Amino acid sequence: DGGITQSPKYLFRKEGQNVTLSCEQNLNHDAMYWYRQDPGQGLRLIYYSQIVNDFQKGDIAEGYSVSREKKESFPLTVTSAQKNPTAFYLCASSKDRGNTDTQYFGPGTRLTVL
Amino acid sequence: RKEVEQDPGPFNVPEGATVAFNCTYSNSASQSFFWYRQDCRKEPKLLMSVYSSGNEDGRFTAQLNRASQYISLLIRDSKLSDSATYLCVVSSLTGNQFYFGTGTSLTVIP
Repeated sequence: DGGITQSPKYLFRKEGQNVTLSCEQNLNHDAMYWYRQDPGQGLRLIYYSQIVNDFQKGDIAEGYSVSREKKESFPLTVTSAQKNPTAFYLCASSKDRGNTDTQYFGPGTRLTVL
Repeated sequence: RKEVEQDPGPFNVPEGATVAFNCTYSNSASQSFFWYRQDCRKEPKLLMSVYSSGNEDGRFTAQLNRASQYISLLIRDSKLSDSATYLCVVSSLTGNQFYFGTGTSLTVIP
């Protein structure tokens, strides 16, 4: 089946630890995105990538890092520098870069910092 | 000022009712507009794109008013399964970023 997968579905982390969230897509989409969603708030953009080996910061990139070594994969690392990492993390992709194509979302990862 | 603003609701309506949501956006140069649906603790899913001429998909009608910078979603003959949060999404000027509203919560009551 074509789609976007994220793993794990639930993740628990101790304070001070880095953790990496996986996002994979087999849709052959050029662009990929990471958002976080907090209760009562809209999705906020962390990072996005329009092409392999290139990515840009979104509105709330501090404390996060990404890589885009393969077209299919866009992992997000939540570092210990992120002050309030507990949130619902959503990965998305869209077919073309630099235009307004529809975004499709993965099922998300719920990160809880203990 | 937020890029996109929505009334959070909640909207509680009986089955069969017609309900409308509005969403305003701040950047007059925004290019594309969408409505997404998000069920509790799930990912957003595309409901429909919003075109300048307005568009309809079954019981759902979306409209865009560029002069007043708002988009709307009308749901006719509400079903229990329509209960969800509806997110308004607007693209950036360059088209490579999307801005999400906080969502409007709808509960359809039997």
